[in-house]
Amino acid sequence: VHLVESGGGLIQPGGSLRLSCAASGFAFGSYNMNWVRQAPGKGLDWVSLITSSGNIYYADSVKGRFTISRDNVRNSLYLQINSLRAEDTAVYFCASSAYYNDYFDYWGQGTLVTVSS
Amino acid sequence: DIQMTQSPSSLSASVGDRVTITCRASQGINKFLAWYQQKPGKVPKLLIYAASTLQSGVPSRFSGSGSGTDFTLTISSLQPEDVATYYCQKYNSAPLTFGGGTKVEIK
Repeated sequence: VHLVESGGGLIQPGGSLRLSCAASGFAFGSYNMNWVRQAPGKGLDWVSLITSSGNIYYADSVKGRFTISRDNVRNSLYLQINSLRAEDTAVYFCASSAYYNDYFDYWGQGTLVTVSS
Repeated sequence: DIQMTQSPSSLSASVGDRVTITCRASQGINKFLAWYQQKPGKVPKLLIYAASTLQSGVPSRFSGSGSGTDFTLTISSLQPEDVATYYCQKYNSAPLTFGGGTKVEIK
């Protein structure tokens, strides 16, 4: 299993960004997928889940600003982040859920999003 | 939403010590509880799921117990390579909340 995130960078407050996660080594379309973030020096913060059937869930802190999506043909997971705030500064990890259970058995290396003017 | 509270937030113990970390859910979550280890600068690693099932490849000195609202992660004999921050996570339903973490250091 291999998960590789991309798309992070330095962005001004109020800006937008699209993160991507390229998956390989497993039947991507059959698994729920997640985004988890970690602000510098802080703990893990679950952001969003998209199920294999397309059901979507968000943390309250990102509802209305973040949009998760997936492309099962391209084996890719995405996170569209709008109206960025300083508190969104974090490493964003892509993580796969275990089969039929939403604990995270595989993680990507993460992509850093820095929100600053 | 269910809150996950870990204690202590940090601890320092000697090599060979038995270490116990507690995770409490604000409502019952049956056994839908996972534990992760995150070493400094590294990606989190799954240790335990279903409250007490050891993930493949995880040393047997790690164990988990509990159900409902109260859970524990135990390291039976602390090793230098166990220096890390440990997180619990509920997964019975979204939001898939993590605990605040417990930083484990060697005395």
